[in-house]
Amino acid sequence: QVQLVQSGAEVKKPGASVMVSCKVSGHTLTQLSIHWVRQVPGRGLEWMGGYAPEDKETIYAQNFQGRVTMTEDTSTDTAYMELRRLRSEDTAIYFCTTGSQGSLLGTNFDYWGQGTLVTVSS
Amino acid sequence: DIQMTQSPSSLSASVGDRVTITCRASLSIGTYVNWYQQISGKAPKLLIYVASNLESGVPSRFSGSGSGTDFTLTIGGLQLEDLATYYCQQSYSLPFTFGPGTTVDIK
Repeated sequence: QVQLVQSGAEVKKPGASVMVSCKVSGHTLTQLSIHWVRQVPGRGLEWMGGYAPEDKETIYAQNFQGRVTMTEDTSTDTAYMELRRLRSEDTAIYFCTTGSQGSLLGTNFDYWGQGTLVTVSS
Repeated sequence: DIQMTQSPSSLSASVGDRVTITCRASLSIGTYVNWYQQISGKAPKLLIYVASNLESGVPSRFSGSGSGTDFTLTIGGLQLEDLATYYCQQSYSLPFTFGPGTTVDIK
C-alpha cells in the first residue's frame, strides 16, 4: 500500500520561496509518477504539474511555468515541490499525489498525501 | 484549457436517496473523466476512473457513466459517510482540470 507523507505547514512572506516534501513508502519513488495539486481554502483543485513516464520528464502547468520546480530524491524516496516568488494568492493546501505509470492520457490520481498548508502573508 | 463544469453546486438529500451529479466538459474528451470524493479537511479520494470504472475498495453504490462531453456520478443509496464534496477531473489533455465541485449534504 502506497503512503505519501508531506512536510508540515509553512508561513512565508510575499516574494519568498517554499519547498514542500512528500515522502513515499510502500513503493519506491521510481515505481511512481508524482504529481502536485493545490487547493485554495474553500475553493477547487488545481493541477500544478507532474512526471510524465512516457516522456521521462516533468510537465508543468502553464500557470506555474517559471515559478515551480518538482524534483525527486530516489535515495530517500522523497519528492519535492518548490514554488518561488510567492504571492498572497498562493495561499493554499498543496497535495502530492500519484498518477498513472504509462501515458498521461487517462491519468487518475489514486494515492494522496495529507496536504501541506502554505500561507503567504506579510 | 478544457473547462469542466458541474451541477448542481450543492444538494441536500436523505439517507437512502439516489443522488446524481453531472459534469460537463467544454469539448469532447471521450471517457477520460475521473471522479473524486473529498471529505472536509481530508485529501481527495479517487472513486471512479475513465468514466465508469470503480476504484478498488470503493462501495458499489458509487457508479459513473457518460462519454464525450457529459458525465454522471451516481450514488445509489446515500449514506451518512457520503457527506462530502465531489469533483470530476478530465485526463484527456494538459493541463488536467477539475470541476468546481458538488457539495452533498445530508437532510
